[in-house]
Amino acid sequence: QKEVEQNSGPLSVPEGAIASLNCTYSDRGSQSFFWYRQYSGKSPELIMSIYSNGDKEDGRFTAQLNKASQYVSLLIRDSQPSDSATYLCAVKRDSNYQLIWGAGTKLIIKP
Amino acid sequence: GAGVSQSPSNKVTEKGKDVELRCDPISGHTALYWYRQSLGQGLEFLIYFQGNSAPDKSGLPSDRFSAERTGGSVSTLTIQRTQQEDSAVYLCASSLGGATIEKLFFGSGTQLSVL
Repeated sequence: QKEVEQNSGPLSVPEGAIASLNCTYSDRGSQSFFWYRQYSGKSPELIMSIYSNGDKEDGRFTAQLNKASQYVSLLIRDSQPSDSATYLCAVKRDSNYQLIWGAGTKLIIKP
Repeated sequence: GAGVSQSPSNKVTEKGKDVELRCDPISGHTALYWYRQSLGQGLEFLIYFQGNSAPDKSGLPSDRFSAERTGGSVSTLTIQRTQQEDSAVYLCASSLGGATIEKLFFGSGTQLSVL
């Protein structure tokens, strides 16, 4: 079992719809959770971080964390073609500098 | 500079040659990471620097790989006697460290191709 798992996709969503990306993790000691976006041929960039159970909203993006079930998700409302990218989930263990990365989910927003 | 700078952006080399990859982090960022990303794969951790010291070298794939960081700034990743399986994008990232250590800023990467 991988420490951080994501469905590789591709996930195809019509423009204007809600895109839902999921990530599960195995280490219950994990404390910090991150979503990075990576456009094709580009480097990852941080779009959301979440530390507490529940929802965190930032514009069209909502991160959801459920530590009991060990999953974190990212919702993108009103999806745009420019949201088409690979979304990487990263998890930080307690008292550890290192991020553990999922392999990413490729999202395609169809006009 | 404004962001993390990596050079070269592309490197084509022959099997058995040595290569050196450079990373110039954001000024003031004490934490520096090297990752490797193969096509369609996630990020593979290689090494982490805090200042000039490397408390964790556990991700280096073999003793052909080494890295150093001088002056708490520029880092170089050296791969000796390159092999075809070394072909990948090598990404450098930096962060302020401390409480925000996990908020990484990435360079544009070096695409390494070993023929």
